[in-house]
Amino acid sequence: KAGVTQTPRYLIKTRGQQVTLSCSPISGHRSVSWYQQTPGQGLQFLFEYFSETQRNKGNFPGRFSGRQFSNSRSEMNVSTLELGDSALYLCASSWGRQLDYGYTFGSGTRLTVV
Amino acid sequence: KNQVEQSPQSLIILEGKNCTLQCNYTVSPFSNLRWYKQDTGRGPVSLTIMTFSENTKSNGRYTATLDADTKQSSLHITASQLSDSASYICVVRPTFDNQGGKLIFGQGTELSVKP
Repeated sequence: KAGVTQTPRYLIKTRGQQVTLSCSPISGHRSVSWYQQTPGQGLQFLFEYFSETQRNKGNFPGRFSGRQFSNSRSEMNVSTLELGDSALYLCASSWGRQLDYGYTFGSGTRLTVV
Repeated sequence: KNQVEQSPQSLIILEGKNCTLQCNYTVSPFSNLRWYKQDTGRGPVSLTIMTFSENTKSNGRYTATLDADTKQSSLHITASQLSDSASYICVVRPTFDNQGGKLIFGQGTELSVKP
C-alpha cells in the first residue's frame, strides 16, 4: 500500500514569503503529525492533527500553522519566512493518536529560504 | 523532564565491523522504545519497537536491547554494510498523555561506514 506522501519534495522560497506543504497519510490513518528537522536540532514537534482537530502543539511561533481535511490529508503553512525556517519538514501518520504503533514518516519536504 | 540522550553523536566504522549505539532516557513511565534509521534527506524508518517489558528485539542485522531498570537501550549492528550509513534515532513513547502527549526523540547518532 502507498506510504505517507509529502509534496513538494524540494522548495526554495525568499524571506518574507509564505509556503504551504502537503501531507497525504496512509489510507485509513487519521492522525497526522508534523516535525521540523534541522542539523544539530533533531526532530522538533510542530503539531498533531486527529480527525480534523489539532490535538497537540509544539513550541513554535504562530507563523507556523496547520490544518487537516476530512480525508485526513494535512497541510502546514509558514508565513513570513525567515532564513532559520530552512529545514526538512516531515510528517508522520498513524491510525489512531500519534503514539500508536504503525507510526510512519513521509520522505519530507526540504525547504530552503534565501 | 522527559529526555532521551544518545551516544556517541557520530561514529565511523569499517565495512564488515560491528558497532553498538547507546540510548539513555529519563521518560517514566513509558510504553515503548523505538529505533529509527534515517538516510540523509529522507524520513525515518522504523527498525525495532520494544515494549517496556521486552529485553531484546531483532530485525535482520539490527538487534535492540532494553534495560528498563537502568533506563538504557542499545542498538547493535552486525557485519556493517555501506548502506548502514545513516542517522539512528532513539524514540520513547510516554505512557500517559499528561506526560506531554508526544513521542520523545533523541538527537540521533550519525553512523558512517567506510569501505
